Formats: sequence, structure tokens, C-alpha cells
Amino acid sequence: EAQVTQNPRYLITVTGKKLTVTCSQNMNHEYMSWYRQDPGLGLRQIYYSMNVEVTDKGDVPEGYKVSRKEKRNFPLILESPSPNQTSLYFCASSFEGTNSPLHFGNGTRLTVT
Amino acid sequence: DAKTTQPPSMDCAEGRAANLPCNHSTISGNEYVYWYRQIHSQGPQYIIHGLKNNETNEMASLIITEDRKSSTLILPHATLRDTAVYYCIVRLYSGTYKYIFGTGTRLKVLA
Repeated sequence: EAQVTQNPRYLITVTGKKLTVTCSQNMNHEYMSWYRQDPGLGLRQIYYSMNVEVTDKGDVPEGYKVSRKEKRNFPLILESPSPNQTSLYFCASSFEGTNSPLHFGNGTRLTVT
Repeated sequence: DAKTTQPPSMDCAEGRAANLPCNHSTISGNEYVYWYRQIHSQGPQYIIHGLKNNETNEMASLIITEDRKSSTLILPHATLRDTAVYYCIVRLYSGTYKYIFGTGTRLKVLA
């Protein structure tokens, strides 16, 4: 089944403890992206990647890192999480350069205390 | 950036057509309109997209006005499972594709 898989689904952590949220897709998509969703603010893009080893900042990149060493994986790294990063996170992927739609994962709900 | 405007909420009777409007008056000629929906806090689910012409698939129909400044998503026979937040999104290009999400329309289908 074609899908975008995020792990974990739920994560509770403490301020300053490094964490990684994984994202994997099995559709051979070039484009991958991370979003965060907060009440009243909709989905905001954190980082995106147009292909392996090509990443760029979205609208709210502060406090986050990403890497794209393989085409299928696009992990989101929080080196020193803070409470304002408590949010619902979504990974998405699509083919680059076409009008094909974004496919979203099922989300990771992160709580930083 | 092309932005979209949607009513914050709508109700629809089960079995009736749900017509969800979207205004995107600043859209450019090569920018597509996409519709997604989100049920509770699940990942947004793709519904349909279009550029100029009306489109139909197994889930919905998309009507785009001739001037492309607005569109309407039509769910022909709404069911309770269609209760969700519906997002109208313009995909714009500036080096790469960027999807601008608004706050969407919360559709409630009533029994």
C-alpha cells in the first residue's frame, strides 16, 4: 500500500532532550516536507526537500533540523526541544515537477514539558 | 502569495449535496487549486485538484469559475463520515512547489 509513515504517533518529552521523528514513504517521491499544525494557525511548513541531499527552510524552521540521505526517508530532528514546539506534526511527499498531490502521514503529536 | 478564503463552518443534511466555497482572487494563471480534508487530527486527505476546467472523481466534483477567482467543492451525497475540516489550497511555485493552507471550513453533516 502506498503510504507515508511517521513514527512515533505520540511523544512526550522534556525540554532540551534531543529527539527525532521519522518519516518514510514508499512511492518513490522526490519531494518531501514537514508541517506543524497549531490551533488557529493551520498547517505551516517547517522544512522541505526536493530530492536526496537537497533541503531548504519553510516558513517556521527555527529549532528544527532535517536530513535527506535516502530518497524514502526524511527525519525531523529537534536538537533541544522547547515547550513552544508542542504541536501536531505531519510529513508529506509528492512527485516533484508535476501536479500530483501531496500525500500526508498520520501525524505525530509532540508534547514538550 | 495566493491565499484562500473559506467560511469557517457549514452544516449539511445527510444525503444532500454539500457545496463548499473558496475564494482565491489572487491566484495566478499556472497555480492549481487543491482540496483536502482532515478528519479529527488525522493527516490531511487529498480529495481533488484542478487548474481551469471542472473536475470530477469518485469523491467529489470541483467547479472553478471562468476567471479562476473562486471554486466550489461539491460532495454530491454527504454522509456522516464526511464530517471534517475541508481545506482549499493554492499551490504556487517559487523555486519549488509551496502549498498554502488556510484554516479551512468545518463541515458538519447532520443526521
